[in-house]
Parts: sequence; structure tokens; C-alpha cells
Amino acid sequence: DGGITQSPKYLFRKEGQNVTLSCEQNLNHDAMYWYRQDPGQGLRLIYYSQIVNDFQKGDIAEGYSVSREKKESFPLTVTSAQKNPTAFYLCASRQGALNTGELFFGEGSRLTVL
Amino acid sequence: AQSVTQLGSHVSVSEGALVLLRCNYSSSVPPYLFWYVQYPNQGLQLLLKYTSAATLVKGINGFEAEFKKSETSFHLTKPSAHMSDAAEYFCAVSDGYGGSQGNLIFGKGTKLSVKP
Repeated sequence: DGGITQSPKYLFRKEGQNVTLSCEQNLNHDAMYWYRQDPGQGLRLIYYSQIVNDFQKGDIAEGYSVSREKKESFPLTVTSAQKNPTAFYLCASRQGALNTGELFFGEGSRLTVL
Repeated sequence: AQSVTQLGSHVSVSEGALVLLRCNYSSSVPPYLFWYVQYPNQGLQLLLKYTSAATLVKGINGFEAEFKKSETSFHLTKPSAHMSDAAEYFCAVSDGYGGSQGNLIFGKGTKLSVKP
């Protein structure tokens, strides 16, 4: 089945450590996105990529980094510079450049800083 | 720039009652509008979308939404609530263009509770 796979589902991190969240899609979609979700705040865009080897900052990119070396993969690194990294992270993808289509979401990764 | 306002962070209805979740948008160009549903610890699933065709849009699980340009609204309704409808619902807007302007902007969500 086509879809988006995020891993790990749950992740615990000590303060000062970098962690990388995986996102893989087999939908052959061009665009991929990372969102952060906090209770009562909806979804906020961290980074997005509309083509391989290119990505742009979203609204809350500070303390995060991404890469897009392959069309199907868009990993997110949460660095030690992110002051409040505990959150639910969602990866999504969309077909096409005109952004008229809907986003397809993964199941999410919950990061907890100990 | 686009924005979305969802009125009511929590809505509670009885099983079998009408579900009405409110969404108002702001957009300087004709918008594309979406409703998503999220169950606990899961990703978001598309319920329905408006992309400038019919103003009354039917989605999955018996939900529908009506685009009203004069009211800048896109409220989500379901005639009869079911226990399985308990979830969080998100309204989102896009201007349909490419680049950053076309990214979806999400509302803060409305949690729907369904009482037996």
C-alpha cells in the first residue's frame, strides 16, 4: 500500500542531544512537509521541500534541520538548539507544484525530552 | 496572507445529534479549503476539500461542508453524530498557487466529544 512511514513512533531524548526523525513516502509525491503539533496550537510548519535537493524554512525552523537527497525521503533533525522540542511531529506529502491537492500524513512521531 | 479561525476548541454533542464545527477563513484570493480529522496519536486524514467547484462538498463518514464566500466560512456538519466521530478536527486553507503561498495554513483545531 502507498503511504507515508514515520519512525520512530516514540522517541525520548536527553537535553543537549540531536535526534533525527525519519519520513519515507512511496506515493511518488514531489512535495514533502514537516509540521509540529502542540496541544491547542494546531499544526505549525517547520520545513518543506518541493523538489529533490531543495527545501525552504517554514514558520518555526529555528533549531531544526532537514535534507532532501531522495524524492521519497525527508528526514528531520531536532538539534540541541531547539529550546522546547517535546512535541508531536507530523510528516506529510503532496503531489504537484500548484498546491491544490490535499496533504497525505504519516502517523506521527512523539518526541519527549527528559 | 491566509488565515483560519476555528470557533470553539471543544464541542460536545449527544449521539444522534447534529454536529456543527465552525471555520472562518481569510484569503485575498479564491481559497482552497480542507477539513481533516485526527484520532489520538495518529496522523491527519482528509475528510473533504473545496477547490472552487460545487459550494456544498460531501466527504467521508457522512460529513459535508458548505463554502459561503459572503460569510468567509466553511463550516463542517454531520446530521447525526456517532461515537466514532469523537476526534479532533482541523480546518485548513490554501490559495492554490505554487511556492510558499500555496502551503496549507491550519486552524488550531476543535475537539469533538460525543456523549452516549
